[in-house]
Amino acid sequence: SQTIHQWPATLVQPVGSPLSLECTVEGTSNPNLYWYRQAAGRGLQLLFYSVGIGQISSEVPQNLSASRPQDRQFILSSKKLLLSDSGFYLCAWSFGGGTGELFFGEGSRLTVL
Amino acid sequence: AQKITQTQPGMFVQEKEAVTLDCTYDTSDQSYGLFWYKQPSSGEMIFLIYQGSYDEQNATEGRYSLNFQKARKSANLVISASQLGDSAMYFCAMRVDNYGQNFVFGPGTRLSVLP
Repeated sequence: SQTIHQWPATLVQPVGSPLSLECTVEGTSNPNLYWYRQAAGRGLQLLFYSVGIGQISSEVPQNLSASRPQDRQFILSSKKLLLSDSGFYLCAWSFGGGTGELFFGEGSRLTVL
Repeated sequence: AQKITQTQPGMFVQEKEAVTLDCTYDTSDQSYGLFWYKQPSSGEMIFLIYQGSYDEQNATEGRYSLNFQKARKSANLVISASQLGDSAMYFCAMRVDNYGQNFVFGPGTRLSVLP
């Protein structure tokens, strides 16, 4: 069966510090991968998605970036965090080219102080 | 543009009663999928139910059913026999098959089940 893990679960960072959130999927190959952000009490905002290694599509211009160095690994990064980057970040995957649902990781709660 | 609307920011329901959470969508594409997710206070997103645009029957999964009215572009979630554990945020989402790999989410409805 397929599983998805993301870490860290909780992160408190000062403004201007770097960020790295990591997500890995197991039990499938060539998944579509996604990073979403959820502000407190709000819906989900798609940040990045990837259909293959090195292929990243950005939906929202910001100081965040994403990379997919391996087939089942998706990394969200920032060189310098802003206060507005605080939120709940969710990694997700779906079957490549399929019509199925999104499967979500446990989420990472980021607080920028 | 693809859009999901959930007009109920919050809903209350008595335990053991049924509740309907509204969802309308906007797309000009003919092939799409509609999803409902549950997000408890822990934050995880739990997939509940799926309806394809070409499915003629309404989807059902246990106590969850999706009332799909294609002409009205609505995909309401019906939860029967509500339980205290159903208290959570509920998100309606759409995936348009010819629109890359993008899922669009609604703003969510917070459901509170009262004992």
